[in-house]
Amino acid sequence: DIQMTQSPSTLSAAVGDRVTITCRASQSPSGWLAWYQQKPGKAPKLLIYKTSTLESGVPSRFSGRGSATDFTLTISSLQPDDFATYYCQQYDTLPFTFGPGTTVHIK
Amino acid sequence: QVQLQQWGAGLLKPSETLSLTCDVYGGSVSGYSWSWIRQPPGKGLEWIGEINHSGSTAYNVSLKSAVTISVDTSKNQISLKLHSVTAADTAVYYCARNRAFDIWGQGTVVTVSS
Repeated sequence: DIQMTQSPSTLSAAVGDRVTITCRASQSPSGWLAWYQQKPGKAPKLLIYKTSTLESGVPSRFSGRGSATDFTLTISSLQPDDFATYYCQQYDTLPFTFGPGTTVHIK
Repeated sequence: QVQLQQWGAGLLKPSETLSLTCDVYGGSVSGYSWSWIRQPPGKGLEWIGEINHSGSTAYNVSLKSAVTISVDTSKNQISLKLHSVTAADTAVYYCARNRAFDIWGQGTVVTVSS
């Protein structure tokens, strides 16, 4: 199985801050890497797929990049609606696996 | 737009069978892969398994012997069965489309308790 890790596990940031979350895979998912946002009591929402492609309707302040085993999700200017938990997921190799999540708190 | 509506029993006793259904509205179940994913209380996301566009299934090895995922194209729905549940199967269960999961059901809370 491809193991996914994320850092940090939590972070505190203010509105307007630039935030970067890192995801590392135990082996390369060949770019098949997605990012999700989840708010309490809600289903996750797809933000980015194939490492850097923005899902339709997702604000352009979200961006993804990476290669091989290292990936990042960046929020260029944090908005009040962005306080949530973020997960990465590889979908190259079965079983599909998720990172443990990064929770973004209000500073 | 496509919406997924989940339904099924939310309270089970140990050893019973979990059975959930995901109705697809605004689109077809055909031509896509469909997964079930679960999230234990306060924890992260775990992929359970998928059925792909050709009807082939793949399951998480940790659950493989107990899981069945199927599609009914006539009813435009996907189903999950998980046999012999234990308290460890208590979670919110989601159905989702594709492999980068672009559309999710609303989630079903399943509690296993004697």
